[in-house]
Amino acid sequence: QSALTQPASVSGSPGQSITISCTGTSSDVGGYIYVSWYQQHPGKAPKLMIYEVSNRPSGVPDRFSGSKSGNTASLTISGLQAEDEADYYCSSYSSTSTRVFGAGTKVTVL
Amino acid sequence: QVHLVESGGGVVQPGRSLRLSCAASGFTFSAYAMYWVRQAPGKGLEWVALLSNDGTDKYYADSVKGRFSISRDNSKNTLFLQMDSLRAEDTAVYYCAKDGDCSGGRCSPNFFHYWGQGTLVTVSS
Repeated sequence: QSALTQPASVSGSPGQSITISCTGTSSDVGGYIYVSWYQQHPGKAPKLMIYEVSNRPSGVPDRFSGSKSGNTASLTISGLQAEDEADYYCSSYSSTSTRVFGAGTKVTVL
Repeated sequence: QVHLVESGGGVVQPGRSLRLSCAASGFTFSAYAMYWVRQAPGKGLEWVALLSNDGTDKYYADSVKGRFSISRDNSKNTLFLQMDSLRAEDTAVYYCAKDGDCSGGRCSPNFFHYWGQGTLVTVSS
């Protein structure tokens, strides 16, 4: 049950696009469609942003998008806004029926 | 509206036990698997346990296997986490979360759909 690999931090200016990567193995990210992404503001509970690699729940702005290639999933935020500054975590289903999270990425809006 | 409320956290000595509860409302509790996820102070999210909708299938992180037990009471819409032999490294905010979603006749599982606000467990002498 090793954590998925995410960059510790990513930054961008308002209006720019940023991408957060999430690298696992063929036993988790690469083997299933069950990759999801979560946004967490300080002191708050996480919030679902993307599920099944690229699906957005209702209420999540369409500037959030997800994709996957091989063992690496990605979350892209287009048209970055101040309120997007938060921690972001990826998660994946694993072959042992367990779940695994990434270590988290701090997004800073410059 | 989905609502998850955790309770039972507090300060406990190493080696002692604690039982967390998660009261659910706003959805058909008995139709969904449920999770516990924790977050140590200043750290990332860690998946702890998963319980199937009928309570028959249970899965645990290696870090808590043999010490923690997940259960549910579908008649009371409540999820539990029994934590035994607690260690300092179990100190964290514990969240319960609903698994996946069913809508329009289609179910999508294996993601943390809604989360509670969390309850803090501090293991310290």
